[in-house]
Amino acid sequence: GAGVSQTPSNKVTEKGKYVELRCDPISGHTALYWYRQSLGQGPEFLIYFQGTGAADDSGLPNDRFFAVRPEGSVSTLKIQRTERGDSAVYLCASSSLGGQYNEQFFGPGTRLTVL
Amino acid sequence: AQTVTQSQPEMSVQEAETVTLSCTYDTSESNYYLFWYKQPPSRQMILVIRQEAYKQQNATENRFSVNFQKAAKSFSLKISDSQLGDTAMYFCAFMKPYPSTVQGAQKLVFGQGTRLTINP
Repeated sequence: GAGVSQTPSNKVTEKGKYVELRCDPISGHTALYWYRQSLGQGPEFLIYFQGTGAADDSGLPNDRFFAVRPEGSVSTLKIQRTERGDSAVYLCASSSLGGQYNEQFFGPGTRLTVL
Repeated sequence: AQTVTQSQPEMSVQEAETVTLSCTYDTSESNYYLFWYKQPPSRQMILVIRQEAYKQQNATENRFSVNFQKAAKSFSLKISDSQLGDTAMYFCAFMKPYPSTVQGAQKLVFGQGTRLTINP
């Protein structure tokens, strides 16, 4: 596609519910990243995929958060038993791989609101 | 761990003026990348400018330029001839440039952001 897309754009859920956030990276990009941006803050790293595998998941806050990328393209961020503190914008980015620097291209994010 | 600090939560200037946004960072790495990203209300992060730490020359992109002071760990962004479309949140960010097989590589570490308003 032309750019990174994320669905849904906005998601409102109730405390305790399960949510899935989807990211479609730029076609051909091997690397995919998830970041979380709380209100008034900069994005914080959650997880990074190379292909199908999570190369670095050190930013996932707890075991309620899980992400997959089964075919090395689309990724889904899954949040179980949502809490009000999970409310944030979840940003996805993708990049090619191959050098010491590979520009990350960001999607428009999903705004998650937990009531 | 790397940290990035932006000490100016908000700034406001008149159109056509020059504005400088500040950023400091802390790292023990000798080689790394620094970035300025723009985030308009649409939420999409847009890369404004990139600086490689091993390059002494300050990066420039049209009206945007940086003042990179490696010893002081300072990385400021100057916007010349500011335009209404420059109104946005601006984030300073850090990245280690190691091969992507090394854990911790490739992830961006962001500052808290500066909200810039350009007034007509």
